[in-house]
Amino acid sequence: EVPLVESGGGLVQPGQSLRLSCRASGFTFGDYLMSWFRQAPGEGLEWVGFIRSRAYGGTTEYAASVKGRFTISRDDSKSIAYLQMNSLKTEDTAVYYCIRAPFNTLNFDYWGQGTLVTVSS
Amino acid sequence: QSVLTQPPSVSAAPGQKVTISCSGASSNIGNNDVSWYQQLPGTAPKLLIYDNNKRPSGIPDRFSGSKSGSSATLGITGLQTGDEADYYCGTWDSSLSAVVFGGGTKLTVL
Repeated sequence: EVPLVESGGGLVQPGQSLRLSCRASGFTFGDYLMSWFRQAPGEGLEWVGFIRSRAYGGTTEYAASVKGRFTISRDDSKSIAYLQMNSLKTEDTAVYYCIRAPFNTLNFDYWGQGTLVTVSS
Repeated sequence: QSVLTQPPSVSAAPGQKVTISCSGASSNIGNNDVSWYQQLPGTAPKLLIYDNNKRPSGIPDRFSGSKSGSSATLGITGLQTGDEADYYCGTWDSSLSAVVFGGGTKLTVL
């Protein structure tokens, strides 16, 4: 059983929106901080943001490059994390990974397989 | 430009040892724990080292981590061809309020 499965990627035009989902299984989702990273083709890893577990306030943090455009949320009852991406730019093109970290640590101990988002006209 | 600085590439022969450096500042490595990740070609990254020098279960003791001041180092002994991958260091930056990573180091096992 794969603990994290991303979905929702695809081709969108600049300025449009897209919502990614990360479905979790096999672990107590509510105990984990959930984060999103991305990796542009041939490039390194870039942190997008994270949402803390409810026990730590459920608050969010974002990279400067996406702040104000992207929103991370979670539904603990469904074990799903979301990444809402608005006002997409061509430079947002990347594979987006969903990752978990136990409790309030930043030890990203399991990464999903990623979903490709392509922003192009 | 990545906040943390890693060499773009390192190489060594099978069976040998290699180290990968990760340089930062007091706002990140200097005051926060470092993690290391391995990304094999075409796959998602995997956690190798956390809290500077701890290994998750299943990670062989050929992999080690250390930190001194504002720098961290990943060591790999007994190199195998299967270790060929990109390696990334990461930590929290208290000034940026952001997770920061190095640009990655490509390991080639000759």
